[in-house]
Amino acid sequence: GAGVSQTPSNKVTEKGKYVELRCDPISGHTALYWYRQSLGQGPEFLIYFQGTGAADDSGLPNDRFFAVRPEGSVSTLKIQRTERGDSAVYLCASSQRSGGGYEQYFGPGTRLTVT
Amino acid sequence: ILNVEQSPQSLHVQEGDSTNFTCSFPSSNFYALHWYRWETAKSPEALFVMTLNGDEKKKGRISATLNTKEGYSYLYIKGSQPEDSATYLCALGGAQKLVFGQGTRLTINP
Repeated sequence: GAGVSQTPSNKVTEKGKYVELRCDPISGHTALYWYRQSLGQGPEFLIYFQGTGAADDSGLPNDRFFAVRPEGSVSTLKIQRTERGDSAVYLCASSQRSGGGYEQYFGPGTRLTVT
Repeated sequence: ILNVEQSPQSLHVQEGDSTNFTCSFPSSNFYALHWYRWETAKSPEALFVMTLNGDEKKKGRISATLNTKEGYSYLYIKGSQPEDSATYLCALGGAQKLVFGQGTRLTINP
């Protein structure tokens, strides 16, 4: 079956612009996660959805970052007034059930470059 | 704040040799330990999810062990092949999210 997909695969934007990153999870997976991987580091948690609601958004770095999942499937990560420090690979993952013992299936990521 | 450490950060191995690397994590309140392989331009691929102290798991030439009392896991690759070149990530699974180490970048030299 289809895995997790993310679009775009690459995004170059100018400092100060607004960007949206999209994630299509595996069909039927109720849990959806966003992570960010900066150069030389491991992925860092941003936000987790259970169904339509954000169950944990403690990893969002500031109020320029926002994510939605209005119908409990596709999710969009939105970044306002982008800064050069936002440059990273943004990974999305989905899981059949929530909980750290369940396998999370990752998409290929969106590489965001802010110039 | 959970701290997951991986060593070494990078590793070059000759084709055919075996290798291993380490993931260290806090031993208190352990829930689950995940290993992923991440090749450039691809999705991170799950290798193992380990939950029990003393767990040993195997997938082809790759195996992993878990010691939750002392807070470490080893990943072993036997008879390395060029297709094993990737970044290997371990992650501590908590109640919900994963906390990742910085990864071990493995390069297999033909």
